[in-house]
Amino acid sequence: KNQVEQSPQSLIILEGKNCTLQCNYTVSPFSNLRWYKQDTGRGPVSLTIMTFSENTKSNGRYTATLDADTKQSSLHITASQLSDSASYICVVRDSGTYKYIFGTGTRLKVLA
Amino acid sequence: DGGITQSPKYLFRKEGQNVTLSCEQNLNHDAMYWYRQDPGQGLRLIYYSQIVNDFQKGDIAEGYSVSREKKESFPLTVTSAQKNPTAFYLCASSMEADGLTEQYFGPGTRLTVT
Repeated sequence: KNQVEQSPQSLIILEGKNCTLQCNYTVSPFSNLRWYKQDTGRGPVSLTIMTFSENTKSNGRYTATLDADTKQSSLHITASQLSDSASYICVVRDSGTYKYIFGTGTRLKVLA
Repeated sequence: DGGITQSPKYLFRKEGQNVTLSCEQNLNHDAMYWYRQDPGQGLRLIYYSQIVNDFQKGDIAEGYSVSREKKESFPLTVTSAQKNPTAFYLCASSMEADGLTEQYFGPGTRLTVT
């Protein structure tokens, strides 16, 4: 069964600190992997899209990594800000069915 | 939220009533999608449309219906047959349905049925 699992489920950090969110998937065949940021009560906003051949992609203070061999991805947030408080969702595209498989998200809280 | 609008932001209905959620995009995208988001679960696909006058069922289409008469619009009707309709509904669009292009989400509609 195609699945996307994220950890931790929730995370609390102090402003200015770094953190890393994890995403493990069993989706096969794999097309691409996306990270989204979703503020409470809002729609998700794309942070990165990574294809099979990409290992690292950055978007400002957000850096995503992908290991297609182990089917793992991570999202690293540098120098966190209060505005980073949100849910971060990992999504994997199945190239066989063309479906998006969504993880349940990691809820991040950044404290002053 | 890009160029996708959803209305209303909050919607309340009595059990047994049908309700239609609006989704409009001005991005000239061919593909549009409807998802449902429940606490503790990943987004689940209800319906998607790759082109005008064409749409396909997603993973949880039962109790829902859609239409795609215009490229810009993809309304979702939650019928009385949907057993647990209270949820956060998200509309999305992408240039194509090939999965390689960016998918943009609307701000969502929170539906409460009592």
